[in-house]
Amino acid sequence: QVQLVQSGAEVKKPGASVRVSCKASGYTFTGDYIHWVRQAPGQGLEWMGWIHPNTGGTEYAQKFQGRVSMTRDTSTSTAYMEMSSLRPDDTAMFYCARLSGAYYFDHWGQGTLVTVSS
Amino acid sequence: DIQMTQSPSSLSAFVGDRVTITCRASQSINSYLNWYQQKPGKAPNLLIYLTSSLKTGVPSRFSGSGSGTDFTLTISSLQPEDFATYYCQQSHSTPFTFGHGTKVDIK
Repeated sequence: QVQLVQSGAEVKKPGASVRVSCKASGYTFTGDYIHWVRQAPGQGLEWMGWIHPNTGGTEYAQKFQGRVSMTRDTSTSTAYMEMSSLRPDDTAMFYCARLSGAYYFDHWGQGTLVTVSS
Repeated sequence: DIQMTQSPSSLSAFVGDRVTITCRASQSINSYLNWYQQKPGKAPNLLIYLTSSLKTGVPSRFSGSGSGTDFTLTISSLQPEDFATYYCQQSHSTPFTFGHGTKVDIK
């Protein structure tokens, strides 16, 4: 069955960077886009961008451009989201999600909590 | 960017009630509208895709309708396990924006 398993919670200081991983299994990793979604505590869902694992092509929400980088390792079927220059208001749960061919997120990772605090 | 306006932001209902949540897009998104359910501490879970298609395994009390800019999620008879937050999301064009969510709780 399709699974997306994310890395564990992180605590970072302001100004630092964080890299979150999303390991895919149960399907052909290079066949579907992986998207990333952020959710601040008690808030809604915010789309961050996507990576296509086959080509490495990416698109980022304007809000995150210059601060976010999405990469992948096809040998391990893992997608990564790195965010730099972290601020306390970046504290959030980060989710990866697979985009189905019909344009909906059919599988989600369990989420990775990133806490930014001095 | 396409803005998604979801209403209400919260509602209280009894078990067995019929519940309707609406979502309006700032421009036409054809049928590229999806609904997700999220329970506390969990990842969102797809309920309905492309406006009205029920994900396999989702109870038939959930239904979706609409087109263009106006969409609706209906729960025909609210069950205890349906108390959660619901989000609409457009996948017509990036950025794939979400509504702000509707929290459904027990009356």
